[in-house]
Amino acid sequence: QQQVKQSPQSLIVQKGGIPIINCAYENTAFDYFPWYQQFPGKGPALLIAIRPDVSEKKEGRFTISFNKSAKQFSLHIMDSQPGDSATYFCAASKDNNNDMRFGAGTRLTVKP
Amino acid sequence: DSGVTQTPKHLITATGQRVTLRCSPRSGDLSVYWYQQSLDQGLQFLIQYYNGEERAKGNILERFSAQQFPDLHSELNLSSLELGDSALYFCASSGRTGSNSPLHFGNGTRLTVT
Repeated sequence: QQQVKQSPQSLIVQKGGIPIINCAYENTAFDYFPWYQQFPGKGPALLIAIRPDVSEKKEGRFTISFNKSAKQFSLHIMDSQPGDSATYFCAASKDNNNDMRFGAGTRLTVKP
Repeated sequence: DSGVTQTPKHLITATGQRVTLRCSPRSGDLSVYWYQQSLDQGLQFLIQYYNGEERAKGNILERFSAQQFPDLHSELNLSSLELGDSALYFCASSGRTGSNSPLHFGNGTRLTVT
């Protein structure tokens, strides 16, 4: 049973564009929503995370928007660069890391 | 470098065999998590240990088992291997369960079952 649904599966944007990746979750007990970035041959690395008590969080060019009533959250990458080309995973968990569930991933390609 | 070490990096074995994957968490981290990543299924949570005790269990098959030792390293045992078990297996660690400590992933073990 997939508890976190992520879309799109792949995304291609031009340099400077703003890719948006969307996730929806089912379990209302989830209270921690991180995004991970994975480059080929490497493990996922934490990019940014949000808790449901705020609707938006920015870190550099990365922004999470969170809609608690809709049980949805999204990642926006401002002024995207070719170096942002990677696979992005959203995730959700209870008590930070317990039983963290990941979305299926989005392969982002930023063209020069 | 995340500080999480996984060995071996690659493993090729035949159906029906048994393998053991090893994970050394970051220094000081008490929690260890195992994930399976296959092409069409993303990251699937298998099991979590905290300071030697099982804390949460996901979609882990009965043919798979894990443990965390007193020195906090963990092993994932996969037995009666099937072709469909071919995947990347990731270990992650974090400081304390329930804290703001993020997951730190190793670079994975790529298992190929032929």
